[in-house]
Amino acid sequence: LAKTTQPISMDSYEGQEVNITCSHNNIATNDYITWYQQFPSQGPRFIIQGYKTKVTNEVASLFIPADRKSSTLSLPRVSLSDTAVYYCLVARRDTGGFKTIFGAGTRLFVKA
Amino acid sequence: GAVVSQHPSRVICKSGTSVKIECRSLDFQATTMFWYRQFPKKSLMLMATSNEGSKATYEQGVEKDKFLINHASLTLSTLTVTSAHPEDSSFYICSAKPVDEQFFGPGTRLTVL
Repeated sequence: LAKTTQPISMDSYEGQEVNITCSHNNIATNDYITWYQQFPSQGPRFIIQGYKTKVTNEVASLFIPADRKSSTLSLPRVSLSDTAVYYCLVARRDTGGFKTIFGAGTRLFVKA
Repeated sequence: GAVVSQHPSRVICKSGTSVKIECRSLDFQATTMFWYRQFPKKSLMLMATSNEGSKATYEQGVEKDKFLINHASLTLSTLTVTSAHPEDSSFYICSAKPVDEQFFGPGTRLTVL
């Protein structure tokens, strides 16, 4: 499994766009990139997943360059409730039994 | 999305006792479930992969005799912390993957006195 590296923490203000970049230099051909959000004392919550280029859903966008060695989670117009830890994961999209390993994550603090 | 539940949400026990935590997939069948442990301000650490009808696969450094995993049905996996000690106090989270996306339970806060 490819190791991921993210900034330990980031600060932002309400209404700003936040971009969190994750590096995964050893990503394999059949690996997907997934981002999760976790609030204190809760299980992680799926945000977005992608393989290449750009993926967008109702809460975020995921940008993946052609070499796939990094990815950027973009959160538009954050609010105080977006303060959480964000994890970037790389995992294979094959059998249901393939395990997911978490990196250190990025603690995002959104200020008023 | 799919729902994974855990019970209990929090438990306090005395040192030396055993505690069982249940993980259920509510609207899908899961042949494989995963158990994680998370200490304060730390990331999730994978403990073991629970396989329905067979033995669990433990990660390196996790004592299989201390953390007993039983995956008796396609919707239920249990983690039993045997002879719990204060250092076992942690947040335990299970997850399952119906297809591609991995869904996590709400977690169980274990406090061992």
